Amino acid sequence: RKEVEQDPGPFNVPEGATVAFNCTYSNSASQSFFWYRQDCRKEPKLLMSVYSSGNEDGRFTAQLNRASQYISLLIRDSKLSDSATYLCVVSEVYGNKLVFGAGTILRVKS
Amino acid sequence: GAVVSQHPSRVICKSGTSVKIECRSLDFQATTMFWYRQFPKQSLMLMATSNEGSKATYEQGVEKDKFLINHASLTLSTLTVTSAHPEDSSFYICSARAKTSSYEQYFGPGTRLTVT
Repeated sequence: RKEVEQDPGPFNVPEGATVAFNCTYSNSASQSFFWYRQDCRKEPKLLMSVYSSGNEDGRFTAQLNRASQYISLLIRDSKLSDSATYLCVVSEVYGNKLVFGAGTILRVKS
Repeated sequence: GAVVSQHPSRVICKSGTSVKIECRSLDFQATTMFWYRQFPKQSLMLMATSNEGSKATYEQGVEKDKFLINHASLTLSTLTVTSAHPEDSSFYICSARAKTSSYEQYFGPGTRLTVT
């Protein structure tokens, strides 16, 4: 079983749509949680950290359920520029080994 | 700030040759650098953790004699793929952790290695 599981997609949505991605992780010792964004053939870029209380950054909202070992990302009012692969990432200790999911592909179309 | 560079960005080499990839933190000191590998349509997988001035720690299944890592300074780590084979063709990405309390990792732009 993979440590971090994501639906690979692709999610094809029109501009302005709301889209949600889910992720589950298997290591109950995980302490830090992130969503990264990766464009084709580029390095991953940190989108946001995920906190237990849930957090929002503009059009992006992340939620964490430690009991279910489940992380989500909600994108509202999708833009064409949101098209990318979204990577769910966990770590046992902040700043140490990052474990990446395989990513969920989002394609926003006009 | 927090810029990490990698060189080369792309390399094609023949089977049996060795390739060196450099990872530099340009505007901060990195006590720890991480080397990842990503095969097409797969997730990034950590290969090894490199601490300045000490031996690298390799993940299970990664051959330390094949993937040589040197972290001689606080701004430079190198990964050498020795006797490369076509199955080593991949996207190699480094990240660097700054000497700050945030411990955030900053990623380099990656090196695409093709072994023919």
